[in-house]
Amino acid sequence: QKEVEQDPGPLSVPEGAIVSLNCTYSNSAFQYFMWYRQYSRKGPELLMYTYSSGNKEDGRFTAQVDKSSKYISLFIRDSQPSDSATYLCAGNDGNTGFQKLVFGTGTRLLVSP
Amino acid sequence: DTGVSQDPRHKITKRGQNVTFRCDPISEHNRLYWYRQTLGQGPEFLTYFQNEAQLEKSRLLSDRFSAERPKGSFSTLEIQRTEQGDSAMYLCASSEGGSGYTFGSGTRLTVV
Repeated sequence: QKEVEQDPGPLSVPEGAIVSLNCTYSNSAFQYFMWYRQYSRKGPELLMYTYSSGNKEDGRFTAQVDKSSKYISLFIRDSQPSDSATYLCAGNDGNTGFQKLVFGTGTRLLVSP
Repeated sequence: DTGVSQDPRHKITKRGQNVTFRCDPISEHNRLYWYRQTLGQGPEFLTYFQNEAQLEKSRLLSDRFSAERPKGSFSTLEIQRTEQGDSAMYLCASSEGGSGYTFGSGTRLTVV
C-alpha cells in the first residue's frame, strides 16, 4: 500500500464547476500536507500547504485536512480551463519539516470551456 | 531571481553511458532536494542537502547515483552506467528553512 493514494482520473468538468480533489494517506505521523499543480512537462508548483487538521483558503482554492480519517481534499471554485493540470497531494511527518515529501500519483483535471 | 533552474531540459543517452544534471536553486535557499518522477507517478524523494551537507538519501539512490552540492550553491546529480529503468524526469527543488519547496522544470532523461 502506498503512503499517499490518489485517484489518477482524469476528472472532466465544465468551466465554472466546483472541483473536489481527494487523497488518503496511511502514515499517522504526517503533520504537513501540500497540494501541488503540475502542467505537462513542467515541475510541480506549490498551491497550498496546511499544518495538521483544518481548512485553509486562498482565492478560489480551499485545502481541507481531516487527520481522524486521514483524508485530504482540495476544492477549486469557479474552475477555469487554465486549471487543467495534474494535481498532486503530498504529506510530511513534521519531524523532518519539509525535508522529505511523500507524493500521491496525482489526479489529472480537465476543465472544458 | 528566476526560480530553480535545471540543465539540460532533456537528455537522451545510450545505455551504459554516464550522465550529469545540474540544478541552480533560488539563491537564498539553503535546502536543496532531488526527486525522480516517472510517467503517471508522483515525484519520489532521492536526496536532500542543507547547504553543502547531504543529510538524507533514499534507498532509490543506488550506488550508480551520486549527488553533490559544493559550496552550498548549485548541485549536480550524476548517474553512472545508465539503465533503461533510469528513464524519468529528474526534479530539483529548493527551500529556505522549513518553507514549501519550489521545483524546477526538471531534466527529462531518456535511456535508449
